[in-house]
Amino acid sequence: GDSVTQMEGPVTLSEEAFLTINCTYTATGYPSLFWYVQYPGEGLQLLLKATKADDKGSNKGFEATYRKETTSFHLEKGSVQVSDSAVYFCALIGMDSNYQLIWGAGTKLIIKP
Amino acid sequence: SQTIHQWPATLVQPVGSPLSLECTVEGTSNPNLYWYRQAAGRGLQLLFYSVGIGQISSEVPQNLSASRPQDRQFILSSKKLLLSDSGFYLCAWSWRAGGYNEQFFGPGTRLTVL
Repeated sequence: GDSVTQMEGPVTLSEEAFLTINCTYTATGYPSLFWYVQYPGEGLQLLLKATKADDKGSNKGFEATYRKETTSFHLEKGSVQVSDSAVYFCALIGMDSNYQLIWGAGTKLIIKP
Repeated sequence: SQTIHQWPATLVQPVGSPLSLECTVEGTSNPNLYWYRQAAGRGLQLLFYSVGIGQISSEVPQNLSASRPQDRQFILSSKKLLLSDSGFYLCAWSWRAGGYNEQFFGPGTRLTVL
């Protein structure tokens, strides 16, 4: 079945550092891919998405490119801020997932000033 | 625009007591609705989803149940809470129309069972 694998956290960085959070997936065909963010004590917010190969989703300085050849959707940001501290979830919806979101385990990001 | 509400925001309940968490969606019709649980420091676990009034699919057998009495109302219940029911409960909705649609989440309910 479909699955999503994220790098384990926590990831700790200094402010203004470059961020990469790896996400790889297993799915039949061409799923849609998502990154969600959860700030402390809050619900999840959709951060960005990509619906076909080579699409780049972007929002709030974050980017992720749908790479079919490597089945990846890595999240990147050029210069992180303390306010980016949160848990980030990679997810997909595909044919075999019966249109339900398949979630990664989440990666906690800690940004130190 | 669409909004999703959950209440209460926090709840402390004794073991063995009943539970009712409510979720409502505004600004859309015929949404798919979802209940998730997130244990402390863990990922998301899908508990129930619904594609219409009275239609509930359970993903994990447990002492929780869900109901959808109205198109935009989704209720999570239990007759007797267990300690292991503690967690952060999230309601979400998505468009019913075909395609791979993202889900939109409510603010969550933090449940502590003592």
